[in-house]
Amino acid sequence: NAGVTQTPKFQVLKTGQSMTLQCAQDMNHEYMSWYRQDPGMGLRLIHYSVGAGITDQGEVPNGYNVSRSTTEDFPLRLLSAAPSQTSVYFCASSLQRNQPQHFGDGTRLSIL
Amino acid sequence: GQNIDQPTEMTATEGAIVQINCTYQTSGFNGLFWYQQHAGEAPTFLSYNVLDGLEEKGRFSSFLSRSKGYSYLLLKELQMKDSASYLCAALTGANNLFFGTGTRLTVIP
Repeated sequence: NAGVTQTPKFQVLKTGQSMTLQCAQDMNHEYMSWYRQDPGMGLRLIHYSVGAGITDQGEVPNGYNVSRSTTEDFPLRLLSAAPSQTSVYFCASSLQRNQPQHFGDGTRLSIL
Repeated sequence: GQNIDQPTEMTATEGAIVQINCTYQTSGFNGLFWYQQHAGEAPTFLSYNVLDGLEEKGRFSSFLSRSKGYSYLLLKELQMKDSASYLCAALTGANNLFFGTGTRLTVIP
């Protein structure tokens, strides 16, 4: 049982480049979310989705886009990478919003 | 505004009991989660409290007082593998998780 799968695990980008962080879950969860984790700060919600075709902004959405065309996939797009986006990104999913979330292993992203 | 306070670091001895406190102020409140995160790994779910009182799960227990905006995680019979960060997270009125910065627990022999 794969759970929540994130790719890539590591990535280095130059300022201004764009890229997509992939997230897939095989648990038929309706709720999916993206967080970033920075030293000295809690996990912060970037975007979330309560089901296919529905997305909404979290606490820190600027500079990121998401889409949810299927229940399984929830990619996160960085439009024009900035050094402030250097972080560890976690994707998570749960059956519903008020239930425990399962986290992927994270993507460690560095922007030079 | 939203805020969660929990101690930054704690140290405890193998075999002992440790209590990690968490106070929260959020826009609405629908429950309190605790997650464990080992260094370099993903958070994993430990417990969820929505009603006041104590929830026990093996060596781990979690307590919630909604009127006081307070929760704690109690770890008994500490083992070396319990060395990790413990994240307190409030489920807000919008049903999104708001995380604290985490408490790094070091278990010493």
